[in-house]
Amino acid sequence: DVKVTQSSRYLVKRTGEKVFLECVQDMDHENMFWYRQDPGLGLRLIYFSYDVKMKEKGDIPEGYSVSREKKERFSLILESASTNQTSMYLCASSLRGGARTEAFFGQGTRLTVV
Amino acid sequence: AQSVTQLGSHVSVSEGALVLLRCNYSSSVPPYLFWYVQYPNQGLQLLLKYTSAATLVKGINGFEAEFKKSETSFHLTKPSAHMSDAAEYFCAVSDIDDYKLSFGAGTTVTVRA
Repeated sequence: DVKVTQSSRYLVKRTGEKVFLECVQDMDHENMFWYRQDPGLGLRLIYFSYDVKMKEKGDIPEGYSVSREKKERFSLILESASTNQTSMYLCASSLRGGARTEAFFGQGTRLTVV
Repeated sequence: AQSVTQLGSHVSVSEGALVLLRCNYSSSVPPYLFWYVQYPNQGLQLLLKYTSAATLVKGINGFEAEFKKSETSFHLTKPSAHMSDAAEYFCAVSDIDDYKLSFGAGTTVTVRA
């Protein structure tokens, strides 16, 4: 069974903290993505990576960074968490081959910044 | 960039009734189109996708969608709703030479007994 695993289902962090959200996939996928999900806004792409050490900004990269040192792992970093980053974060992965290939999603991390 | 509009943020149907969720995309060039479902406290799961083959696409759990270029639409239907269909549904689009998905705002479906 294919799997995208996010390290935490729920996180509570304080304003100003550095926050790491981890995502691991076991499907040998080249592409990995971080989305943010907010009510009424759907999913918005933060960053994506198409290979190890490669990254590209999505639609809302401000306040975030990413790291991909190994093919299976893609980390989202909030350098200094703020209350407006309270949200659900979803990681996804897909094979190289463009959008024709299916994206598989993790179960999400609900982050609350207080 | 591609975008999608989902009409109706919330749809309520009776068990056994037709489910119709509307999605319109922005591009004049036919893109790839997807419907995803999200059950409570879970990630997204692919229901079906259109990638320029048959215009009527069948997916899992009895859902299907029809690509209509003239209407720039990709509406999702299921003839008979089941209680287990209660979830949030997202339409998504991508250019054929891209691997990024752009999602609609989502439609929450509730099913009345």
